[in-house]
Amino acid sequence: GENVEQHPSTLSVQEGDSAVIKCTYSDSASNYFPWYKQELGKGPQLIIDIRSNVGEKKDQRIAVTLNKTAKHFSLHITETQPEDSAVYFCAASINKAAGNKLTFGGGTRVLVKP
Amino acid sequence: DAGITQSPRHKVTETGTPVTLRCHQTENHRYMYWYRQDPGHGLRLIHYSYGVKDTDKGEVSDGYSVSRSKTEDFLLTLESATSSQTSVYFCASSGLAGSTDTQYFGPGTRLTVL
Repeated sequence: GENVEQHPSTLSVQEGDSAVIKCTYSDSASNYFPWYKQELGKGPQLIIDIRSNVGEKKDQRIAVTLNKTAKHFSLHITETQPEDSAVYFCAASINKAAGNKLTFGGGTRVLVKP
Repeated sequence: DAGITQSPRHKVTETGTPVTLRCHQTENHRYMYWYRQDPGHGLRLIHYSYGVKDTDKGEVSDGYSVSRSKTEDFLLTLESATSSQTSVYFCASSGLAGSTDTQYFGPGTRLTVL
């Protein structure tokens, strides 16, 4: 089955700096790659996603890049703010009519220092 | 945010007792999922449903069963709880018209098995 590795496990950045989280996946058939943000005591919330027919996607301060050849994708957060402090998860799946079975990375705890 | 609720939000039980967790969504989503979250493992899929009475196993299904008799409800049952099932359980749903990708998560249930 699919295996997703996520690095780093913790990331501390100064407010205003950029943060980068990297993930690799094993199944070349995976075609959907979401990123979730989880705040303490809450469920994960989708922040951005990318499909395999796209190399890059941007939404304000957040961007995701995908390299299908190397089977890795990354999350970039620019101009970090204290409210960006949370745990971030990447995931990969093969979108099928029978559902979307996400395989998650282990998570990255991001701390933005004021 | 999608209307997904989970009950109970916290539960403490003893080894060997049956436990049922409930997930309720008001979005008329076709797909529903149960995940468990443990430190260092991200979220792992237990079971999922692709329609009423249609369910299938995920990555870590041993010791768990599910049922879905109505579109809005997805139940997760631990027939005989063990300490290894102490975890935070998240339900998710997806399946708006035209997209099966985006999964919306509930707030989670923290289960402790003594």
